[in-house]
Amino acid sequence: DAGVIQSPRHEVTEMGQEVTLRCKPISGHDYLFWYRQTMMRGLELLIYFNNNVPIDDSGMPEDRFSAKMPNASFSTLKIQPSEPRDSAVYFCASSSLTPGHSYYGYTFGSGTRLTVV
Amino acid sequence: RKEVEQDPGPFNVPEGATVAFNCTYSNSASQSFFWYRQDCRKEPKLLMSVYSSGNEDGRFTAQLNRASQYISLLIRDSKLSDSATYLCVVILNTGGFKTIFGAGTRLFVKA
Repeated sequence: DAGVIQSPRHEVTEMGQEVTLRCKPISGHDYLFWYRQTMMRGLELLIYFNNNVPIDDSGMPEDRFSAKMPNASFSTLKIQPSEPRDSAVYFCASSSLTPGHSYYGYTFGSGTRLTVV
Repeated sequence: RKEVEQDPGPFNVPEGATVAFNCTYSNSASQSFFWYRQDCRKEPKLLMSVYSSGNEDGRFTAQLNRASQYISLLIRDSKLSDSATYLCVVILNTGGFKTIFGAGTRLFVKA
């Protein structure tokens, strides 16, 4: 398995532009998570999906952020319009539950390093 | 008070030393516990799950104390390659799954 695949690895954009981050989870994982990591705030959960359905988006900073999961193998996180304070590393992670409903733990993608200038 | 708190770092230890990390959590609904390792400019990677009975993986031992609401990670005979940030992770079962990452503790192992 290739693991969780994110693209692009790096993104530099100007303030006000739209940014789209992409993620392909591990096949068979039914949970997908979007995280943001900064030095100041650490890892923050933005949103997660279960079976392609958004379950908890309370971590999405504001309406400029949106996420979709049109099918089990693809998700996007979009920022429109982007601002310098959105600069961070954005991680996608996927996971699944054991038959006894314990949690396996996440597999993270390599992340997208976003810089908004 | 943060929901998950870890030892402040960084920890600077010589090769071969034993080092222990502690992590406390505040929510009794916490169901699952993990330690993750994150190398500089890399993604977090699962190091080990933590079970009430304690579990060991080579030089690494994890313990969970539900009564006191803390988990620990012990690294024996530390190697230069153990240098990384260690993240304590707690998952709450609150109808959905809420995952809380600790801020991490930086470890430097020196020759």
